[in-house]
Amino acid sequence: DADVTQTPRNRITKTGKRIMLECSQTKGHDRMYWYRQDPGLGLRLIYYSFDVKDINKGEISDGYSVSRQAQAKFSLSLESAIPNQTALYFCASASTGRNEQFFGPGTRLTVL
Amino acid sequence: SQQGEEDPQALSIQEGENATMNCSYKTSINNLQWYRQNSGRGLVHLILIRSNEREKHSGRLRVTLDTSKKSSSLLITASRAADTASYFCATDPMTTDSWGKLQFGAGTQVVVTP
Repeated sequence: DADVTQTPRNRITKTGKRIMLECSQTKGHDRMYWYRQDPGLGLRLIYYSFDVKDINKGEISDGYSVSRQAQAKFSLSLESAIPNQTALYFCASASTGRNEQFFGPGTRLTVL
Repeated sequence: SQQGEEDPQALSIQEGENATMNCSYKTSINNLQWYRQNSGRGLVHLILIRSNEREKHSGRLRVTLDTSKKSSSLLITASRAADTASYFCATDPMTTDSWGKLQFGAGTQVVVTP
């Protein structure tokens, strides 16, 4: 089984709809991250969490919110989706003291 | 904002050849990492080099780091078709407000033809 899982893997929605992307990890990591990837732009950090009670904005948090329900679960919400939020979304986890991040398989989101 | 920038943006080589890509960054770092992404999939960590290291090897991978030039290079020797992927450098900046966050470049797309 994959260490970092994301659901759904693909989603098509309409402008104005609320969307939730979910992420779970079985690695026992305390840190979790949400990124978005657009062609030619690499990965940009949306939100990150170093602990269950810790939530921090990344460089592009506007239009997004997150919830850290448990150490293993970190969800990303788009309250009112817009077309320029069409992208590939990745969740990642890491352990404090070790710098490498482990990524999920990604969610391809299309907002029409 | 992106800390690392890879060069070239795209690279096409034949099996057996070496592939070299470079990464430049702007601010001081704790470490620099390289990741691989197969088409449409999640990133996979390849190698980490700390700021006090100059060279590191892992299998067919060789990474160098020149902190005076703020640059790093990734060399893949004897490339295989399975090495076809995008390669990203990620820096761990040495700044208080960037603690625990990586900054990714836009990547180098490598195509290895049989």
